[in-house]
Amino acid sequence: NAGVTQTPKFQVLKTGQSMTLQCAQDMNHNSMYWYRQDPGMGLRLIYYSASEGTTDKGEVPDGYNVSRLKKQNFLLGLESAAPSQTSVYFCASTQGVNTGELFFGEGSRLTVL
Amino acid sequence: GENVEQHPSTLSVQEGDSAVIKCTYSDSASNYFPWYKQELGKGPQLIIDIRSNVGEKKDQRIAVTLNKTAKHFSLHITETQPEDSAVYFCAASAGSARQLTFGSGTQLTVLP
Repeated sequence: NAGVTQTPKFQVLKTGQSMTLQCAQDMNHNSMYWYRQDPGMGLRLIYYSASEGTTDKGEVPDGYNVSRLKKQNFLLGLESAAPSQTSVYFCASTQGVNTGELFFGEGSRLTVL
Repeated sequence: GENVEQHPSTLSVQEGDSAVIKCTYSDSASNYFPWYKQELGKGPQLIIDIRSNVGEKKDQRIAVTLNKTAKHFSLHITETQPEDSAVYFCAASAGSARQLTFGSGTQLTVLP
């Protein structure tokens, strides 16, 4: 009954450090997404993957990279963290690319000092 | 692109009263309008959605109404309970999940 699992749940970085947020889903969904949530701004799409091996930019992709080597995993990388990337990050998945229920993980809170 | 505005940003109601959250959207091509509930420390969870060929949809104490002409849709919660306290997000999409644009959220507090 895991659904979408994100690791780590909390992380503190110094400016310029790199890290990877990991997302795994066990629902055999084809599409996966990374969002960031900032106060008063709702959820904004960073990157998405329509299927294994494919990725595409969302609304706010600058400063991030992604990898979808396996169907169940979607990785979000920060190569050189900046204070503006302090946020709560959510991974989500859907069965297909068309509209339907997004299944979210519990979030990863990232603080960049 | 799509722009979704959500009001109010905070809402307090007494237990048993009704709560209404309103959203407007800008893209007339939008045809899918979900509502998500986010409890503290959790990810958002879909509670109800509506498509543009329907004007209203109900699920127990929750209902959503859509006015395509005015480009606005609303979430109605009746007989509110303390467990309804959460942040609620509206969203709109013209076709695919990647096109989903979220509102800024409403913090609903149900007072006992």
